[in-house]
Amino acid sequence: GEDVEQSLFLSVREGDSSVINCTYTDSSSTYLYWYKQEPGAGLQLLTYIFSNMDMKQDQRLTVLLNKKDKHLSLRIADTQTGDSAIYFCAPRRDSSYKLIFGSGTRLLVRP
Amino acid sequence: EAGVVQSPRYKIIEKKQPVAFWCNPISGHNTLYWYRQNLGQGPELLIRYENEEAVDDSQLPKDRFSAERLKGVDSTLKIQPAELGDSAVYLCASSLGETGAYEQYFGPGTRLTVT
Repeated sequence: GEDVEQSLFLSVREGDSSVINCTYTDSSSTYLYWYKQEPGAGLQLLTYIFSNMDMKQDQRLTVLLNKKDKHLSLRIADTQTGDSAIYFCAPRRDSSYKLIFGSGTRLLVRP
Repeated sequence: EAGVVQSPRYKIIEKKQPVAFWCNPISGHNTLYWYRQNLGQGPELLIRYENEEAVDDSQLPKDRFSAERLKGVDSTLKIQPAELGDSAVYLCASSLGETGAYEQYFGPGTRLTVT
């Protein structure tokens, strides 16, 4: 089965909050990252959370981690049209230091 | 500070032809990664270098793919011969190291189309 699962698509209105959810299977991941990918571009690192934390806030971004349920979420406050992109959560497998990506969530921000 | 540099950005070749991609990591980053991203999917690791040493190449199709990282800085990924299924974006990333939260920073990628 999939190591990382995300919903494929999310549409929000400009100014609203966006919440992108992610579930993963590898409980040994000490660090979990969020990346943003705009069309035709590489991946931009947004933020990460250490596995002994429940929450991390970084300006408009809030990451929540439920380690028991292996659930990670990214909340974007006051979502702007420039936030439209694909968002990937990527737990890092401790045994290999490899980032494990799902298929990403495409966020569309409507004016 | 300059980011990860990759070239070329785009490459179109016919099947059975060779192709090579080049990556220059962020200065001072010891660890370098090559990922492949198929359309509509997330990246998948092909190979990881720690300085000059390939420490994880378990996902690299060694019958046609090869990589090198001479002097522990720049790296080249080669495909010979290319197949139609190799069409993808090839991403290079680098990080300071492996322990701690050493974040991986990605380059813009090389989009390969095999016809």
